[in-house]
Amino acid sequence: AQRVTQPEKLLSVFKGAPVELKCNYSYSGSPELFWYVQYSRQRLQLLLRHISRESIKGFTADLNKGETSFHLKKPFAQEEDSAMYYCALNPGNTGKLIFGQGTTLQVKP
Amino acid sequence: NAGVTQTPKFQVLKTGQSMTLQCAQDMNHNSMYWYRQDPGMGLRLIYYSASEGTTDKGEVPNGYNVSRLNKREFSLRLESAAPSQTSVYFCASTLAGGEYGYTFGSGTRLTVV
Repeated sequence: AQRVTQPEKLLSVFKGAPVELKCNYSYSGSPELFWYVQYSRQRLQLLLRHISRESIKGFTADLNKGETSFHLKKPFAQEEDSAMYYCALNPGNTGKLIFGQGTTLQVKP
Repeated sequence: NAGVTQTPKFQVLKTGQSMTLQCAQDMNHNSMYWYRQDPGMGLRLIYYSASEGTTDKGEVPNGYNVSRLNKREFSLRLESAAPSQTSVYFCASTLAGGEYGYTFGSGTRLTVV
């Protein structure tokens, strides 16, 4: 079965602390993975694509095929990072994204 | 630089009423999608259109219909609204295979009473 799991509903950290948002996937082929971010009452925005291996707003994510994970990391959290984060899988390059349940990141001052 | 435009932004319906959610994109994308967002469930695909003239069901199509009017526009219709359809609805578009990610609309917050 194709599935994306984000085990944490809520992650609360203090400003300046490291952040790791977990994402695990289930897919038999070569995965194409994304992270999307949704700030309060705004539209979802693409944050990262694993194939581009870029760093956006200080966030990085590495695909670990052995552990079937694509965790999102940032060394020093900022208050403006507070948002809902979704991990998503594009199975077989179909464009029909499968989203995880989402993790709310709360960065406290 | 509009991207993906959805209307309306908010709507309250009574059970049994019908309505159409509109979506238009100006990026010349081939593929368009409708998702619903519910707390604790992430986003679930309702219907999609891989290209102009084609539509297909997603994970949760029951109670919905869609029309790909042209390359720009993809509408979602609720024929007889039910309280279970209370949700936030997002339209998205992408180039054909989705490898560059989606561009999302701002969402429609629908309440069915």
